[in-house]
Amino acid sequence: GQNIDQPTEMTATEGAIVQINCTYQTSGFNGLFWYQQHAGEAPTFLSYNVLDGLEEKGRFSSFLSRSKGYSYLLLKELQMKDSASYLCAMNYGGSQGNLIFGKGTKLSVKP
Amino acid sequence: DTAVSQTPKYLVTQMGNDKSIKCEQNLGHDTMYWYKQDSKKFLKIMFSYNNKELIINETVPNRFSPKSPDKAHLNLHINSLELGDSAVYFCASSQGLTDWGDTQYFGPGTRLTVL
Repeated sequence: GQNIDQPTEMTATEGAIVQINCTYQTSGFNGLFWYQQHAGEAPTFLSYNVLDGLEEKGRFSSFLSRSKGYSYLLLKELQMKDSASYLCAMNYGGSQGNLIFGKGTKLSVKP
Repeated sequence: DTAVSQTPKYLVTQMGNDKSIKCEQNLGHDTMYWYKQDSKKFLKIMFSYNNKELIINETVPNRFSPKSPDKAHLNLHINSLELGDSAVYFCASSQGLTDWGDTQYFGPGTRLTVL
């Protein structure tokens, strides 16, 4: 079956670096997405990894290891506006667009 | 220009009623989805349509019926509403790529409260 797991909550300080981990188990893996969701708002796309390695986009980077079933989202130079939930979602084989979301990691950035 | 829009944003209704939520996307995407996000913030797929055809139908009560009049619209009708239906419902769309990286874009959500 499919399973995806990430920490429930994390706290970090403004200006710091934080790493949010995500582990998954599935057959027919087609990639891993990270979304950001501010309270009361829609999830917005951050990154997609399908090959092993690091993808960098400004202050945000995402890493994938397919052999370990592991991904992380790295946020640098944290800002107060980065306080949000971060959802990892795995795309698995079968119908197009099959995404299973993790329960999200609520990140609180403190001054 | 709103890419994925939903109406209404808030919906408060009594148990037993029937209600509909509408979704429209102007991105030219072929695939649309409905998700339910419960009070614990767990986001779960309910349905997806590709070019008006149902392709994903997760274990959802028969009281929930999606309808896609064209590929830009996917509406959700709910019969005989129950307390447990209270949640935020998100519509999403994607290009419908058959290979990897079919990114989904979400609407603003509809907060449904059943009293």
